[in-house]
Amino acid sequence: EVQLLESGGGLVQPGGSLRLSCAASGFGVSSYTIAWVRQAPGKGLEWVSSSSRSGDTYYADAVKGRFTISRDNSRNTVYLQMNSLRGEDTAVYYCAKGRSRDGYSPWGQGTLFTVSS
Amino acid sequence: QSALTQPASVSGSPGQSITISCTGTTSDVGDYDYVSWYQQHPGKAPKLIIYEVSSRPSGVSNRFSGSKSGNTASLTISGLLPEDEADYHCGSYSSSSTLVVFGGGTKLTVL
Repeated sequence: EVQLLESGGGLVQPGGSLRLSCAASGFGVSSYTIAWVRQAPGKGLEWVSSSSRSGDTYYADAVKGRFTISRDNSRNTVYLQMNSLRGEDTAVYYCAKGRSRDGYSPWGQGTLFTVSS
Repeated sequence: QSALTQPASVSGSPGQSITISCTGTTSDVGDYDYVSWYQQHPGKAPKLIIYEVSSRPSGVSNRFSGSKSGNTASLTISGLLPEDEADYHCGSYSSSSTLVVFGGGTKLTVL
């Protein structure tokens, strides 16, 4: 069964850093695009970043220069390193398999982190 | 503010049909047939129900259908069931610096 499992959420102070992990099972992350999508409390979905199977990376303007997506094929895991965190980064972060043109499926269960002092 | 515009809420009775709209621009919905729809129940992760405007993933009920006209995509749910009550999000590939844009989500209430 194809599954994704996020981890790494929690409480972080403004200006702090955090790394989220997305562990895949049932498929190899090296063969697919993986995306991070976030959802602020009570809000809609917001695309954050994608890593293609060729290694290309893409970022939303809101996180460019602060977030870095990477992957470890040996661990079958994709990471999202988040620096210079702001209150508006508070959200549930989901990882999902696929490209925007094909639709994202499946999604992980999500991990919540809060930026607050 | 979301890049794509969806109604905040829609409602319908069991057995009825409803349609949710998703309006974008010529940088996304209007120029590309890469519109997706996601169903999200409270506290759960989104689930893909429509991709490439009108295609259904394996296992998704044929009561869900998608279409597009100009800059507006639509999701139609026919024969409403109580379990269809959820939030529905549209997403589209975008040629802007933001690779992917989403709508603000629509809450469907089955009366």
